[in-house]
Amino acid sequence: GAVVSQHPSRVICKSGTSVKIECRSLDFQATTMFWYRQFPKQSLMLMATSNEGSKATYEQGVEKDKFLINHASLTLSTLTVTSAHPEDSSFYICSASASNYNYGYTFGSGTRLTVV
Amino acid sequence: AQTVTQSQPEMSVQEAETVTLSCTYDTSENNYYLFWYKQPPSRQMILVIRQEAYKQQNATENRFSVNFQKAAKSFSLKISDSQLGDTAMYFCAFRAASGTYKYIFGTGTRLKVLA
Repeated sequence: GAVVSQHPSRVICKSGTSVKIECRSLDFQATTMFWYRQFPKQSLMLMATSNEGSKATYEQGVEKDKFLINHASLTLSTLTVTSAHPEDSSFYICSASASNYNYGYTFGSGTRLTVV
Repeated sequence: AQTVTQSQPEMSVQEAETVTLSCTYDTSENNYYLFWYKQPPSRQMILVIRQEAYKQQNATENRFSVNFQKAAKSFSLKISDSQLGDTAMYFCAFRAASGTYKYIFGTGTRLKVLA
């Protein structure tokens, strides 16, 4: 079945630094990838939609200069949190869809980011 | 705009019993897809079941089945013979058949299966 690998699973970074999270589709080509943020005991909040070879579409209220998304290939999308602050600490999840996305999207295992 | 509502923040069920999780949605779309995802303590999102709006037949996957009522915009999940491994957060999700293809998630129902 479709597998999405997300790395790292956990990362701690210092305030003011940047951190990159990778999302890879291992056995299919992902034309579209989605990035979510999830606060404890809450639902997933869509941050942006990433399409291969084009600029990401950000949801209202998400700072595109802070959360840089790159989808340079059909198997890799990256989310870079720039100049991280403690309030950026959260659980970030990616999901990917193949061309036949009607069967549902596959999710990565998530990244817990802690900014100290 | 589409919305998804899960009115049960928490539920519990005895092992081997049956439980139903509710989900209602609002949309003006005629063609769409509905999903139930499970998020166990590991936080990995796992697809449980999906339903196409144009299909009247309710989807079934082993112990999991849905009651899809299109006119009422209701999409409940029934878990039969509940197992301890079913303990998780369950999210209902809507996706239009055209447009941005993004999911609209409900707020989730935390299900605990009791031994």
